[in-house]
Amino acid sequence: SQTIHQWPATLVQPVGSPLSLECTVEGTSNPNLYWYRQAAGRGLQLLFYSVGIGQISSEVPQNLSASRPQDRQFILSSKKLLLSDSGFYLCASRTGAANEKLFFGSGTQLSVL
Amino acid sequence: GENVEQHPSTLSVQEGDSAVIKCTYSDSASNYFPWYKQELGKRPQLIIDIRSNVGEKKDQRIAVTLNKTAKHFSLHITETQPEDSAVYFCAASDTGGFKTIFGAGTRLFVKA
Repeated sequence: SQTIHQWPATLVQPVGSPLSLECTVEGTSNPNLYWYRQAAGRGLQLLFYSVGIGQISSEVPQNLSASRPQDRQFILSSKKLLLSDSGFYLCASRTGAANEKLFFGSGTQLSVL
Repeated sequence: GENVEQHPSTLSVQEGDSAVIKCTYSDSASNYFPWYKQELGKRPQLIIDIRSNVGEKKDQRIAVTLNKTAKHFSLHITETQPEDSAVYFCAASDTGGFKTIFGAGTRLFVKA
């Protein structure tokens, strides 16, 4: 089965600072990759998804961006963090076949102060 | 795009009672409906899923039902136990299987 490595587990950043969260996947090839955000006590909001290297689809306009430099690597970035960027960020992976289940990483708790 | 509504947002039951969580979806072309359980501070994990060609699926104390006509699906947990306490998310997947859209979640408390 797939294993999702996500780091760091916890991050505290000042407003206006940059961000880089990395996610790597093991145990599958050509996965669909996803970034979700979960605000405190809220649901899972889809931010970005990628069906292949260099292919990024954005679901929510914001100051975040995503990149996929390698097949099993997905990066979430920001040039300048906002207070509203605080939340629990989850990377997820799915095999290329439709309707397969999502595997989630362990998440990054981001606090922007 | 797809929109998933989930109710209730909070549910408190006595140990041994049943719990029911309901979801509706907007895109009639969605055909895969997973349910995830998230314990505090941990990643969501799939507990059961159902595809649109099936009306009901059961796995021990957990069952899911799907009404495609009404675009409703529900999670049923019987004989609840304290370890069932968690946040539960329903979700719907679009026809391409690329995106999974989640409901807002239900926080379930099972009182011993």
